[in-house]
Amino acid sequence: GAVVSQHPSWVICKSGTSVKIECRSLDFQATTMFWYRQFPKQSLMLMATSNEGSKATYEQGVEKDKFLINHASLTLSTLTVTSAHPEDSSFYICSARDREDANYGYTFGSGTRLTVV
Amino acid sequence: SQQGEEDPQALSIQEGENATMNCSYKTSINNLQWYRQNSGRGLVHLILIRSNEREKHSGRLRVTLDTSKKSSSLLITASRAADTASYFCATVWMDSSYKLIFGSGTRLLVRP
Repeated sequence: GAVVSQHPSWVICKSGTSVKIECRSLDFQATTMFWYRQFPKQSLMLMATSNEGSKATYEQGVEKDKFLINHASLTLSTLTVTSAHPEDSSFYICSARDREDANYGYTFGSGTRLTVV
Repeated sequence: SQQGEEDPQALSIQEGENATMNCSYKTSINNLQWYRQNSGRGLVHLILIRSNEREKHSGRLRVTLDTSKKSSSLLITASRAADTASYFCATVWMDSSYKLIFGSGTRLLVRP
């Protein structure tokens, strides 16, 4: 089945530094990739939608200069949290949609737990 | 949540009992999906129901959809301790983005 690899699975960084999270579709081409963040005991909040080769579309209230998304190929999207602060600590999850899947298949990465100290 | 609410927020049942979770959403949808998430992990797709379907079954799972009420329910029959997880409904918006928006989720605890 479809697999999405997300790295790193966890990261601790100092306040003010930047962190890059990678999301790769391993055995399919992802037309669209989505980035979510999730706080403890809460639901997934969509941050942005990225299509290969074009700029990401950010949800209302998400700072695009802070959360940089690059979708350079059909199998790779990256999320960079710039100048991270403790309030950015969260669980970040990516999802990829298979362009060949007419059944609206979405595959999720295993998530990245970011802790900013 | 961005899309809607689920109830109950938390549910604790005995192994063998049935668990029912409800989901309401706000916008017109293409389809509705249910996902499961074990604590601190990624999501696993459980079942998809299209907007023109009313009921769907998959193993011990039964999903209903009422588009007039903008609501769905997930029934897990004969629950097992291994079913303990958070369950989320998610809807695919009817535009070109295909974005998947999640409900607030139900935390299910199945006591052995």
